[in-house]
Amino acid sequence: SQELEQSPQSLIVQEGKNLTINCTSSKTLYGLYWYKQKYGEGLIFLMMLQKGGEEKSHEKITAKLDEKKQQSSLHITASQPSHAGIYLCGADAVSGSARQLTFGSGTQLTVLP
Amino acid sequence: EAGVAQSPRYKIIEKRQSVAFWCNPISGHATLYWYQQILGQGPKLLIQFQNNGVVDDSQLPKDRFSAERLKGVDSTLKIQPAKLEDSAVYLCASSPPGLPVDTQYFGPGTRLTVL
Repeated sequence: SQELEQSPQSLIVQEGKNLTINCTSSKTLYGLYWYKQKYGEGLIFLMMLQKGGEEKSHEKITAKLDEKKQQSSLHITASQPSHAGIYLCGADAVSGSARQLTFGSGTQLTVLP
Repeated sequence: EAGVAQSPRYKIIEKRQSVAFWCNPISGHATLYWYQQILGQGPKLLIQFQNNGVVDDSQLPKDRFSAERLKGVDSTLKIQPAKLEDSAVYLCASSPPGLPVDTQYFGPGTRLTVL
């Protein structure tokens, strides 16, 4: 089965600083999803990457999928308190006829004002 | 567009009691998922429905967990009897039809505490 490892597990940054979260897969990634979760809430879809070398941006968040399609990074520029939360990467896995997501354990981001 | 709805938001029960969670997916979404998220971990898939049929329930502890999706819309997840280790957030998600890519939309979750 596919396993996703996220690093770091937690991150505390000062407002305005840049930061990067990594997601490494034990197998080739066919689809990589980034979600954000705030305490007590569900997951909010951020971005999906499919192709090796692909890069997508939304506001101050940029996600990349490396050429070998086994690692993805999420970069936040000029962090703000609103960026705080848990960032989860999910891999598109195929199990029989089902399409499913396998998730990493998450990165807890704290942004200090 | 209305999102995925779940209820209740919070539930506290004692071990060996029963509990049920309800999920209403986004209209038109054929696929429905139930996940269990233990504190400090990522969500783990319990069961996946395509319309009203089960596609995958390989990780559902069937001795105590059951789920159904009547008429291919709403779904309920039941735990009977509950154990302490069932304390978690139970997330429901739905996704629109279509291949090769689908994106899952999550509800707010139900936080279960088993005492």
